[in-house]
Parts: sequence; C-alpha cells; structure tokens
Amino acid sequence: GAVVSQHPSRVICKSGTSVKIECRSLDFQATTMFWYRQFPKQSLMLMATSNEGSKATYEQGVEKDKFLINHASLTLSTLTVTSAHPEDSSFYICSATRGPYYGYTFGSGTRLTVV
Amino acid sequence: DAKTTQPTSMDCAEGRAANLPCNHSTISGNEYVYWYRQIHSQGPQYIIHGLKNNETNEMASLIITEDRKSSTLILPHATLRDTAVYYCIVRLGSYNTDKLIFGTGTRLQVFP
Repeated sequence: GAVVSQHPSRVICKSGTSVKIECRSLDFQATTMFWYRQFPKQSLMLMATSNEGSKATYEQGVEKDKFLINHASLTLSTLTVTSAHPEDSSFYICSATRGPYYGYTFGSGTRLTVV
Repeated sequence: DAKTTQPTSMDCAEGRAANLPCNHSTISGNEYVYWYRQIHSQGPQYIIHGLKNNETNEMASLIITEDRKSSTLILPHATLRDTAVYYCIVRLGSYNTDKLIFGTGTRLQVFP
C-alpha cells in the first residue's frame, strides 16, 4: 500500500511556457503533500507543503507565483511551473502522507528540461 | 538547515552488513528519526523510522542510542541493488504541518 504516482516522468518544454506536474496518492487519502526540487548531485530541497483545500505554504526563497500548487482533493496535488526558464530545469518530486505516524511516500519524480 | 550529520560516502562489500551512522544531537523528545534512500534518478524510498526503541523490518534495522543523539541504519546483507544515497532525517514541525528536510545523505557503494 501507500503508492504515489507522479506524472509525467519526463517533460521538455520551451522557455516561457508553463508545465503542470501531477501527484496522486493511489490507495490512500493524503492530508498533506509536499513538493521538492533536486538539482544534479544535490539533495532534495523542499519547495512547499500543501494541505487539501487550503493554500500551499512555501519555503523561504521559493516564488509562489512561479510555482503554483493546487491540492484540490485528498488524492491529487499539482505543481505548475509558470513561464519556465532553463534555470528551472530540475528533478521535481512529490511526497504524500496520511499523517505523521503513517510515514511519507514519494513519487518517482519528474525530470523537467526547459530549452 | 538539516538537523542530522552523516558521512558523505561509504563502501560495503556485497553480502556484508552495511552500518550507516547518523548524528542528531539536537533531537527533541517527540521527534522521530526517519531513513530513506534514493537510487539514481528515482524518488526516495522509505526504509524505516523510530522514536526511541530499536526497530527492524524486512529491509533494515534501526538502532537508536539511549540518549537519542545518534542512530545507525543496518542493512544486514548488502546487495549491489542497495547502492544508493541514504538519508537520515529528523521530522520537523507540528503535528499538522510535519515535513521532511533532507540533508546531504550518505552515498553507499556496494561492491562485488
């Protein structure tokens, strides 16, 4: 149990366009979802925390107008990278939890390349 | 900043036990220690977590010192597929907004 599906796994987009990444909890209801970004040979950096039905909480230094997060249901959260630029190219990973005592399950990640 | 300290890298022979240490000297009484690993270009995989007692599951064992300032993840019989970056994480925040903050982790290389 506790499977998180992330889609797409890879995406290439042109500079200036927007890209949406989906994160779904397949067999549980996720009260909280998290979005991370990972640059090559670096650790995961938390971008934001989202709770179903409320606005996301962004970490310091993360532009909320650039990285739009929607957590419309207990099984789906989306991250939209708006007006993407080459420096936004990265590995984006989501995580979901039913609550702290249940642990955290990660998606398989989305590799975004902006050309 | 991450609240844990781990060695940057370790090597282990296939079939031997891999012991990965982690220091978390500022851990508070209600904070759990989590271990995850990340194989190249994949999402992190949960391994184990604990509060104060030692824990064991089908993947690994977690040994937490009595003062809780450090812990060791033990992979009893390492295989080549265990080559990955291992992250020791202390869970932060309140009950409703808990989040996992990743440190730099330990890159474990299992060799034949």
